[in-house]
Amino acid sequence: SQTIHQWPATLVQPVGSPLSLECTVEGTSNPNLYWYRQAAGRGLQLLFYSVGIGQISSEVPQNLSASRPQDRQFILSSKKLLLSDSGFYLCAWRLGRRTEAFFGQGTRLTVV
Amino acid sequence: DQQVKQNSPSLSVQEGRISILNCDYTNSMFDYFLWYKKYPAEGPTFLISISSIKDKNEDGRFTVFLNKSAKHLSLHIVPSQPGDSAVYFCAASVSIYGNQFYFGTGTSLTVIP
Repeated sequence: SQTIHQWPATLVQPVGSPLSLECTVEGTSNPNLYWYRQAAGRGLQLLFYSVGIGQISSEVPQNLSASRPQDRQFILSSKKLLLSDSGFYLCAWRLGRRTEAFFGQGTRLTVV
Repeated sequence: DQQVKQNSPSLSVQEGRISILNCDYTNSMFDYFLWYKKYPAEGPTFLISISSIKDKNEDGRFTVFLNKSAKHLSLHIVPSQPGDSAVYFCAASVSIYGNQFYFGTGTSLTVIP
């Protein structure tokens, strides 16, 4: 069966520090991968998605970047965190169209 | 620009009664819709989906209705149970593009025992 791992679960980082969040999927090949963010009191905002290794699409301009170095690995990064980067970050995967997406447990990032 | 909207941030329902959660969308090209349930500090879990070729889909206590002309979908939970208390998100995608999901802002459901 397929599983998705996302870590760390919680993270407190100072402003200006770098960020690296990792997500891996097991039990499937060539998934579409997604990074979402839920800011306090808001919905799920799509940040990045990837349909294959090295292929990254960005939905909104921001202080973040994403990479997909392997088929089932998706990384969210920042060189210098801002206070506004605080939020709940979720990784998700799906196979093809007209299918549901499956989410990881999320990372609570607090920038102080 | 929010293409998927959930205008009710919260809803309270008595146990055993029907819960109706609503969702509106603006993009007429959306043709695949989903509902997710989310507990605090956890990832959303998939509940039910519907394709635009249907107007209703049922799965146990959960039924999703789609009104394409009104660009509106709803989730009915019958009967509501205290364990249903969570935040519910609707999501939509354009299947010919295949990739992006767009989520609403969520409705927090409280089922009162």
